[in-house]
Amino acid sequence: QKEVEQNSGPLSVPEGAIASLNCTYSDRGSQSFFWYRQYSGKSPELIMSIYSNGDKEDGRFTAQLNKASQYVSLLIRDSQPSDSATYLCAVRLSGGYNKLIFGAGTRLAVHP
Amino acid sequence: DTEVTQTPKHLVMGMTNKKSLKCEQHMGHRAMYWYKQKAKKPPELMFVYSYEKLSINESVPSRFSPECPNSSLLNLHLHALQPEDSALYLCASSQDREAEAFFGQGTRLTVV
Repeated sequence: QKEVEQNSGPLSVPEGAIASLNCTYSDRGSQSFFWYRQYSGKSPELIMSIYSNGDKEDGRFTAQLNKASQYVSLLIRDSQPSDSATYLCAVRLSGGYNKLIFGAGTRLAVHP
Repeated sequence: DTEVTQTPKHLVMGMTNKKSLKCEQHMGHRAMYWYKQKAKKPPELMFVYSYEKLSINESVPSRFSPECPNSSLLNLHLHALQPEDSALYLCASSQDREAEAFFGQGTRLTVV
């Protein structure tokens, strides 16, 4: 079982729609979770961090965390073509070293 | 300011060359990371420095040698690389081992 799992996509949504990106993780002790956006040829850019169960909203982005289900999601409202990118879920593993491990990423395509 | 600066942006080196990648941050972060990213793959953790001490080495071949001269600088010394080592090398930093990590723009390395 991979430590962080994401559907690789592509996820295709029309402009203005809600994009829903999902991530599951295997380490029950993990406490810190992050979403990064990566455009082709560029480095990952942090868009959300979440540490507690529930929802966290920042502009058009909402991160949701359910530690009991070991599930993290990212909702993007009013999707724009500029949101087209790969979205990486990242988890800090427990066990003392707090390694930051990435899922394979979901490619999102927002079409006009 | 969440800036992590990496130099050079691009590097082409022969298999017998010795070169170094540099990373700098002035955010007072105490954890710094090296990741390797191949095309269409997620970032893969190589090394973690915490308070200027190497805390994680993900079984990286000895032809990669990290160095942390002070709390703001991180180097990656390269020697006798193979063509399969060609990748995007990413430096990141975080305030501590739980906080979110911020990435530099990366060094695109080509080994010929």
